[in-house]
This record gives sequence, C-alpha cells and structure tokens, in this order.
Amino acid sequence: QVLLVQSGAEVTKPGASVRVSCKASGYTFTGYYVHWVRQAPGQGLEWMGWINPNSGGTNYAQKFQGRVTLTRDTSISTAYMDLSRLRSDDTAVYYCAGEARAATRFWFFDLWGRGTLVTVSS
Amino acid sequence: QSALTQPPSASGSPGQSVTISCTGTSSDVGGYNYVSWYQQHPGKAPKLMIYEVNKRPSGVPDRFSGSKSGNTASLTVSGLQAEDEADYYCSSYAGSNNFVFGTGTKVTVL
Repeated sequence: QVLLVQSGAEVTKPGASVRVSCKASGYTFTGYYVHWVRQAPGQGLEWMGWINPNSGGTNYAQKFQGRVTLTRDTSISTAYMDLSRLRSDDTAVYYCAGEARAATRFWFFDLWGRGTLVTVSS
Repeated sequence: QSALTQPPSASGSPGQSVTISCTGTSSDVGGYNYVSWYQQHPGKAPKLMIYEVNKRPSGVPDRFSGSKSGNTASLTVSGLQAEDEADYYCSSYAGSNNFVFGTGTKVTVL
C-alpha cells in the first residue's frame, strides 16, 4: 500500500522551530516530489513548497521563504519540513503530499499524508 | 501569489447538479492546463478528484467533471449524493515552480 506517514502532533512556543517528518511507504521514495501544504483551523489549504527527493532541489512559496526549509533523507525514505520563528498563526495541520515524478511535471497531488497538527502557544 | 477565488458555499438537493467556479489570472489558471480539484471531508486529508482541468483519477465517479474557460475553471458535480457533502478546493500551477490553491467551497447536500 502506497502511503505517506507523518510524525505526530507537536506543541511548541512562539519563536521556536518545529520539524515535521513524512515517510514514504510502499513505493520508491524518489518517485514522487514531496509538497507541503498547511491548513489553519477552519481555513483553507495553503501551499508551502516542494522538494525533489532525487536531487534535493526545492522551491518555496514566497510567503514562507526564509522561514521554511525542506530536506530529505533518502536512506530512510523520509522528507522533512522545518519551520522557524513560529507565531501563533502558524498553528495548523501540516500535510505532505506526493506529485508523481516524471520527465515533465504533473502539478497535482494523488498521494497525501494524514496531516500533523502543530500548535503554537505560549 | 494570491489564492484563487471560489464561492464560499454551494448547495443542491440529491440528484441535482452543482457547479463551483475557480477564478484566477493569466499567470495561473488561464496560463496552464494544470488545474486540479480536491475534495476534503471534515478531519480528513484532501482527495484528488480532477487533474489537468478535466481528467478523473481512477476510482472517482464520472459524476465529477471539470472544465476551464479563460481564467476561470469549474467543477461540476452531477447527480448529487449525500457523500458529496464536503469542502472542495481548486488549485493551479502558477509558474516559476510555484503552486496555488483556491479559497475553498463548502458544498451542502440539502
């Protein structure tokens, strides 16, 4: 079964950093770009950026540049999202999502993790 | 990049059709055929329903269809069923390796 398995919920303080992991299961890790999408409580989906698991290349939404870092560890088929200088409005469910990797980009996500709730509170 | 604009809500009775619009610009929706639609039930991860404007993934009922004209894409759900009640989000490639989602539409089955 093809899955993206995310790490558990996090509670953290303003100004701190958080790391969320996303482990690929049931497929070749380098076969999908990994995107990160967040959803604040009662709000819509917000795209944050993507990483090419093969090359490590990344692209970030302008809003998050300087605060988000996407990395991967191919030896354990895991992608990571680090978000720094956290604020209360970063409280959200963070999803990783997979875009199949081919000669050309597809720009749709047919594989999703279950989400990780990150709560930022003093 | 700014979120694509969707109506906050839409509704229909069982068996009827509902159409959701998704308005962007020539830099996203109008510029590429990379419009996709996602269904999200409360507390669940989004699910891909339409990709590349009008293509359905395997397993998605043919009651779901997509289209695009200019800078506006649309999702139509025909023959509404109770399980179609959910939030729906459009999305589009936005150039320069960027991506954008719509504001979301809550579909209610009356």
